[in-house]
Amino acid sequence: QQQVKQSPQSLIVQKGGISIINCAYENTAFDYFPWYQQFPGKGPALLIAIRPDVSEKKEGRFTISFNKSAKQFSLHIMDSQPGDSATYFCAASNNAGNMLTFGGGTRLMVKP
Amino acid sequence: DTAVSQTPKYLVTQMGNDKSIKCEQNLGHDTMYWYKQDSKKFLKIMFSYNNKELIINETVPNRFSPKSPDKAHLNLHINSLELGDSAVYFCASSLNTAYNEQFFGPGTRLTVL
Repeated sequence: QQQVKQSPQSLIVQKGGISIINCAYENTAFDYFPWYQQFPGKGPALLIAIRPDVSEKKEGRFTISFNKSAKQFSLHIMDSQPGDSATYFCAASNNAGNMLTFGGGTRLMVKP
Repeated sequence: DTAVSQTPKYLVTQMGNDKSIKCEQNLGHDTMYWYKQDSKKFLKIMFSYNNKELIINETVPNRFSPKSPDKAHLNLHINSLELGDSAVYFCASSLNTAYNEQFFGPGTRLTVL
């Protein structure tokens, strides 16, 4: 049973466009939702994270939107750049040892 | 300075062999993890250690045995390797078990022939 479902699996966006990746979760005990970015041959790195006490968090060109009632959250990348081309993972955890449950990943390609 | 390092980066071995992957972090973190990333890029936690104590063991076959000699090191030993063990294994660390950023190592690509 996949507790965090991520879509789309792949995404192609033109430079300057908006990239949107969506995640849905089932476990209502989840209360921490980070996004990780992974470049080929590298380990994932934290991009941005949100707790459910806020509905939106913005850091530079990256924004997380969170809908607690729908159990959904999304990542928006504004003014997408070719350097943003990577695989993005949403994740979720509760207060149980910081154990992250990852979504299936989205491979983003930003065309120049 | 490398924050989380793993050795080796690549490991090619035959079915049935035993192998180890080493992980070290120089961040002064209390908590360390092992993740498996399969060929479809799916990331799944295997183990978590906090202050050298095992706190998470996610139904991993007992052929996999983690060992934490101290807070800065978490090694993974795998016995009787199987084809399905082929994957990229990532070590990670975080400050503690609260909601903290996890810092990932560069990964070890294990190929079982």
